Amino acid sequence: DIQMTQSPSSLSASVGDRVTITCRASRGVNNYLAWYQQKPGKVPNLLIYGASTLQSGVPSRFSGSGSGRDFTLIISSLQPEDVATYYCQKYDSAPLTFGGGTKVEIK
Amino acid sequence: EVQLLESGGGLVQPGGSLRLSCAASGFTFSIYAMAWVRQAPGKGLEWVSGISSSGGDPYYADSVRGRFTISRDNSKNTLYLQINNLRAEDTALYYCAKDSGLATMTVVAFFDYWGQGTLVTVSS
Repeated sequence: DIQMTQSPSSLSASVGDRVTITCRASRGVNNYLAWYQQKPGKVPNLLIYGASTLQSGVPSRFSGSGSGRDFTLIISSLQPEDVATYYCQKYDSAPLTFGGGTKVEIK
Repeated sequence: EVQLLESGGGLVQPGGSLRLSCAASGFTFSIYAMAWVRQAPGKGLEWVSGISSSGGDPYYADSVRGRFTISRDNSKNTLYLQINNLRAEDTALYYCAKDSGLATMTVVAFFDYWGQGTLVTVSS
């Protein structure tokens, strides 16, 4: 089965900073990659699918890129409401797999 | 408004069984694949199982295959997860999730709505 590895596992950044989270698949998954945001105590929220397509209603400061094995989620200007754990998920085939998560905090 | 309401969780002894339910409303349940995703306390997300819109093509994570059975009743707009032979490592919040319907290459892909979850605790 394909494994998804996220890095870093946690980060602390200042408001307004550019934040980059990476997700690597153990084998290629084309662009069948989604990103979710889970705020503390809340359910996951879909941010991006198809590696780079922004879900409706998601702020444009979020963007995704990549294909094959390597993917990136970027927050162009970190806001206080972005404090959350972010997960990637591959969906090229079952079993679907989530990355281990990246916890983003404000410095 | 899409709503997914899970129920059926609780405290169960190792080796026991539970049946989780997810009542769906606010969308045409019968045309969307559905899934269960769990989250152990303080841990990340783990996909557990998925099922096609018709109820065929069930899929399972290796960690639960043979012990969990996913099913759905489209006449009742309800998704189920029968969980047997429970282990301590099955302790988690179990989320019901709606497939977006935007991906065509696989039966179950990614999820645009999630329920609030139902907690399963396995302990003696």
